[in-house]
Amino acid sequence: EPEVTQTPSHQVTQMGQEVILRCVPISNHLYFYWYRQILGQKVEFLVSFYNNEISEKSEIFDDQFSVERPDGSNFTLKIRSTKLEDSAMYFCASSEGPIQPQHFGDGTRLSIL
Amino acid sequence: DQQVKQNSPSLSVQEGRISILNCDYTNSMFDYFLWYKKYPAEGPTFLISISSIKDKNEDGRFTVFLNKSAKHLSLHIVPSQPGDSAVYFCAASAPLDSGYALNFGKGTSLLVTP
Repeated sequence: EPEVTQTPSHQVTQMGQEVILRCVPISNHLYFYWYRQILGQKVEFLVSFYNNEISEKSEIFDDQFSVERPDGSNFTLKIRSTKLEDSAMYFCASSEGPIQPQHFGDGTRLSIL
Repeated sequence: DQQVKQNSPSLSVQEGRISILNCDYTNSMFDYFLWYKKYPAEGPTFLISISSIKDKNEDGRFTVFLNKSAKHLSLHIVPSQPGDSAVYFCAASAPLDSGYALNFGKGTSLLVTP
C-alpha cells in the first residue's frame, strides 16, 4: 500500500540553526500538509499546500517556517532559526482531494538543544 | 482552543466486546470527520471517515456514528481485538472554511485485554 515517507526519523539541532524536514507524499496525491505534536499535547495543524502554493496556515506557522515542493516528489518544511519550543514530532500528510482522508507519515522527531 | 474534545483519556475493554470511543466538537462549520489510530513511534493511521450528510458509516468491524444536532460522533469497534490497542484520535475539518486543516482531539488510549 502506498505510504507517506519522512526523513530523517530523528533530527537533533542547535538552537538558532536552520533545519529542513523532508517528506515524500503518496504519488497521486495533490494536497499536502504539515502537522506537529509537542510531547503530551494534541496534533496541531501547521500548513496546507496545493497547486504549488499555501492554501492555509495556522498561527504557529510564522515567518520562521516555509514549505516547498522542489520537484515532483518531495515536500519540505524549513525552519529558519530554530527555538527550543520547536522541539516536537512533525508529521507530513497528503490526500487525493480536499475532502478525502489525509494519510500521515511516521514523523520526524525534532530535538532542539 | 479545544474545538474537538475526547473526554475519555483511556478505555479498557475485553477482547470480543464492543469498544465505543466518543468525540464532541464545538465548531458547527465542521462537515468532515475522521478517526485515526496511532501506535507509539508511528504516524496516525486513517481508519474511517464520515461527512456531515450521513449519520453512519461502516467499514468491517469499525462504524462511525455522527449526531450533528448534538455535535457528537462515536467510533464503535466490534468485536474488539488485542491488536486494536492503540491511541485513537478524532479529527474534524471545515473544508470550505479552513483549507482542509484537520483539528484533532487529544486522543483516547484503548486497551483490549484478552
